[in-house]
Amino acid sequence: EAQVTQNPRYLITVTGKKLTVTCSQNMNHEYMSWYRQDPGLGLRQIYYSMNVEVTDKGDVPEGYKVSRKEKRNFPLILESPSPNQTSLYFCASSSVAASRQPQHFGDGTRLSIL
Amino acid sequence: AQKVTQAQTEISVVEKEDVTLDCVYETRDTTYYLFWYKQPPSGELVFLIRRNSFDEQNEISGRYSWNFQKSTSSFNFTITASQVVDSAVYFCALSAASSGSARQLTFGSGTQLTVLP
Repeated sequence: EAQVTQNPRYLITVTGKKLTVTCSQNMNHEYMSWYRQDPGLGLRQIYYSMNVEVTDKGDVPEGYKVSRKEKRNFPLILESPSPNQTSLYFCASSSVAASRQPQHFGDGTRLSIL
Repeated sequence: AQKVTQAQTEISVVEKEDVTLDCVYETRDTTYYLFWYKQPPSGELVFLIRRNSFDEQNEISGRYSWNFQKSTSSFNFTITASQVVDSAVYFCALSAASSGSARQLTFGSGTQLTVLP
């Protein structure tokens, strides 16, 4: 089954404690991206990757890092999380740039930073 | 820069009523793609439809229909004979095809639809 898998689904942690949210897709997609969803703001792109070792900033990259060492994985790293990063996060993938394909989304990761 | 506006934050209807969700977009590109996604209470995002800027035909899929009007930069979504299971947040999104912005899917802020029994 084609899917985008995020882990963990839920996490409560404290300010400053590094965390990683993993994202893996099994569709051999080149394009992957991370979004955060906040009430009244819709989804905003954090980072995206066009292929292995190719990443770039989206609209709200501050406080986040990503890496793309393998095609299937695109982890989101919060080196020093802060309460304003409490949000619902989605990973997405598609076979080409987002303009031409509907993106496949993971089920979301709800992060609470205390 | 591209922008998507969903002016209706929340809508409540009674089951079997028709409801239209509005979406207005802005882009300087002549080639672009419009999307609608559904987010049910369980939280996942479900793709509903993609339209490109050269195809202005309205589309119908069961109880769902979409009205794309380039002249007014709108891509509205109508649910006919709404059901309780239609209760969800609906997002409209835009992606332009030019190389500079092809990476980005810009979402509206979403419309919370509640269908009451």
